[in-house]
Parts: sequence; structure tokens; C-alpha cells
Amino acid sequence: EAGVTQSPTHLIKTRGQQATLRCSPISGHTSVYWYQQALGLGLQFLLWYDEGEERNRGNFPPRFSGRQFPNYSSELNVNALELEDSALYLCASSLDRGSPLHFGNGTRLTVT
Amino acid sequence: DAKTTQPTSMDCAEGRAANLPCNHSTISGNEYVYWYRQIHSQGPQYIIHGLKNNETNEMASLIITEDRKSSTLILPHATLRDTAVYYCIVSRSLNNNDMRFGAGTRLTVKP
Repeated sequence: EAGVTQSPTHLIKTRGQQATLRCSPISGHTSVYWYQQALGLGLQFLLWYDEGEERNRGNFPPRFSGRQFPNYSSELNVNALELEDSALYLCASSLDRGSPLHFGNGTRLTVT
Repeated sequence: DAKTTQPTSMDCAEGRAANLPCNHSTISGNEYVYWYRQIHSQGPQYIIHGLKNNETNEMASLIITEDRKSSTLILPHATLRDTAVYYCIVSRSLNNNDMRFGAGTRLTVKP
């Protein structure tokens, strides 16, 4: 089966711009999770989508937002980019809220 | 969620068993123990999880102490490709959105 796919692999933006990151879950998975992994830090939970609805969000400002489409793919939007937003953004999917997470290889966002 | 404590780093000889410990002394009765690993430049990979009983799959074995305050992940025959950061996570009620990844253990398998 195809794994979780994320695009783009790398993204370079300037401070103040907006970034859009995309994620396609494993076929049949309805839950999508977003995590941020800054250099030298652990994974920080960002957002959880299930059946098209935002179910939970981590301790991030409102300029981090997203959505889940009817085909369960998801988008993460980061507005008003700041230098400290530079990180690896990981998307994961699961069959349901209790099944193990399957991660993509991430989008590396660099803000200059 | 219960906090976990793992050694920062460990080495293992290729072909030998790698035993990665994790302390979770404040674990609650409905919290599961999960293990994931992250190989450099890749997303984390699910390895195994358990509640009370020991578990085994094609990748590893999970040994949970009777009091559930600690666990050990065992890679029976470590290879160079097992070099990665290993995360031990406790999460209540199989609730993925409460998973908290700590710093993990950096395992280096040496030839």
C-alpha cells in the first residue's frame, strides 16, 4: 500500500509570507495529524483532523491552521511566517483514533 | 499523559540484541505504551505497542514489567539500518491526538 505522502519536500519562504503544506493519507485512513519538529527538538503536536473536522489542536497560535478535504487529504497553512517556524512538518494518518500513526517523510520549511 | 524517561543514547553491536529501556512510573491503568523510531531524514515509524502483556511482532518485542512502571523494547538482531532515535510514548485510551514525543534514545548500531 502507498504510504503517507507529503508535498512539497522542501519549501523556502520569506518572513511574513504564507506557506501551504499538503498531505495525502494512506487509503482508507480518515484521521490526519500534523506535527512540527524543530531542529534539535522533539515532535510537537499541531493539529488533528478526522472526518473533515478539526478535532484538537496543540499549543500553537491561530496563524497555524488547516483543513481536511472530503477525500481525507489535508492542508496545513502557516500565515505570517516567522523565522522560528523553520522546521520539519510531519503528517501522519491512522485508520481511527486508536490505531498506530503512519508518518510521511515531512516537508522541510525554511523561513529566511 | 504519563511522562517517560529514556537514556539519551545507546550503542549496540551489529547482530546483537538491542535492549532499550523506558521508565513510565506514573502510567495510568488505561494508558498504553507505544514505541516509534525515526531514522534520519524520515518520518517516525511505528514499531509496537502494548497495555499489560508482553508483545512481539516482526520488528521487535515489548516487555512491560508487572507494575507497568517500566518497559523494554528489544530488537533481537540489530542491523546497521536500526540506527535511529527510538521514542517511548504512553498514551491514554489509544488516543492518538494525545501522543507526546519526547527526546527519545539515539541508538547507534556499530559494525
